Amino acid sequence: NAGVTQTPKFQVLKTGQSMTLQCAQDMNHEYMSWYRQDPGMGLRLIHYSVGAGITDQGEVPNGYNVSRSTTEDFPLRLLSAAPSQTSVYFCASSKRGQSSYNEQFFGPGTRLTVL
Amino acid sequence: RKEVEQDPGPFNVPEGATVAFNCTYSNSASQSFFWYRQDCRKEPKLLMSVYSSGNEDGRFTAQLNRASQYISLLIRDSKLSDSATYLCVVKGDKIIFGKGTRLHILP
Repeated sequence: NAGVTQTPKFQVLKTGQSMTLQCAQDMNHEYMSWYRQDPGMGLRLIHYSVGAGITDQGEVPNGYNVSRSTTEDFPLRLLSAAPSQTSVYFCASSKRGQSSYNEQFFGPGTRLTVL
Repeated sequence: RKEVEQDPGPFNVPEGATVAFNCTYSNSASQSFFWYRQDCRKEPKLLMSVYSSGNEDGRFTAQLNRASQYISLLIRDSKLSDSATYLCVVKGDKIIFGKGTRLHILP
């Protein structure tokens, strides 16, 4: 199993550009989520999904969109990149939704810089 | 009180020593507690769950104090490979990650 994969590993954008961060998992996990990690801020939840076709907002959703058309994929779209979105982005998946907690498996991260 | 709070460190500890750090939480209704480990420029990985009665996994011991609303992680006989950032995770109506405690094991 590849686990959770993310692409790209690094990305530099100019202000106003849009892009999609890809996330895929091959563990048949229902629950997937996107976090951003900034120095001194810890991991903050952007969006999450409890299954295909279902998404919801996390703590810091503004400026980001997600979709979940399949169980495996959970892309994160930046609509119009801003310097404040410079961060490390982690995708995670786990077996069940938030009614109970199962170990979250994280992807290797995408390091995004917005100039 | 912040929702989940950790001493950021760094804790600089000689190899072989015992080190402990705490994580406090504000929501008394929190149900589940965990420690994750994150190596530099890597993704977080689950280290261990924290059970009400306390639990041990090799050199690592985790404890929960519901009355004072904190969890702790104790590392015995520390190794150079224990150098990392340790994140506490608290689940109540939502999952909250602490900002992490940096640990440096010195040779």
